[in-house]
Amino acid sequence: EAQVTQNPRYLITVTGKKLTVTCSQNMNHEYMSWYRQDPGLGLRQIYYSMNVEVTDKGDVPEGYKVSRKEKRNFPLILESPSPNQTSLYFCASSPGQWDPEAFFGQGTRLTVV
Amino acid sequence: AQSVSQHNHHVILSEAASLELGCNYSYGGTVNLFWYVQYPGQHLQLLLKYFSGDPLVKGIKGFEAEFIKSKFSFNLRKPSVQWSDTAEYFCAVNPQGTGRRALTFGSGTRLQVQP
Repeated sequence: EAQVTQNPRYLITVTGKKLTVTCSQNMNHEYMSWYRQDPGLGLRQIYYSMNVEVTDKGDVPEGYKVSRKEKRNFPLILESPSPNQTSLYFCASSPGQWDPEAFFGQGTRLTVV
Repeated sequence: AQSVSQHNHHVILSEAASLELGCNYSYGGTVNLFWYVQYPGQHLQLLLKYFSGDPLVKGIKGFEAEFIKSKFSFNLRKPSVQWSDTAEYFCAVNPQGTGRRALTFGSGTRLQVQP
């Protein structure tokens, strides 16, 4: 089954404790991206990757890092989480570099206290 | 930078009523346009997309959208809604030719369909 898998689905952490949210897709998609969803703001792009070893900032990259060492994986790293990063995070992928985000993961609800 | 406005934040309809959700964007150039749906507790799904050509686009589940360039609008329509259409709907745009890959989303419209 074609899917984008995020882990964990729920996470509560403390300020400053480094964390990684994993994202994996099984469709050999070139393009992957991370979004955060906040009430009243819709989805905002954090980072995206056009292919292996090619990443770029989205609209709200501050406080986040990503890497794309393999085509299937695109982890989101919060080196020093802060409460304003409490949000719902979605990973997405699409077949081609300029195709719209076609597959979204189930989401990771992160709470930073 | 481009922006997307969805003026209706919460819409309540009865089953079989017709639906139209507004979406306006601000960008002077050519854009790609999308509508996504998010059912309660689930991830986003692509409903339909417009890149070029016929401005009336048909998507999944009986939805359609019309691109009106002069009005910078891309409204979503469905002739007769069902209870299962209860969800949040997001409009998104991506400028063409800028080399920028980010989708800009509207803040969403929550649709509640009453049986």
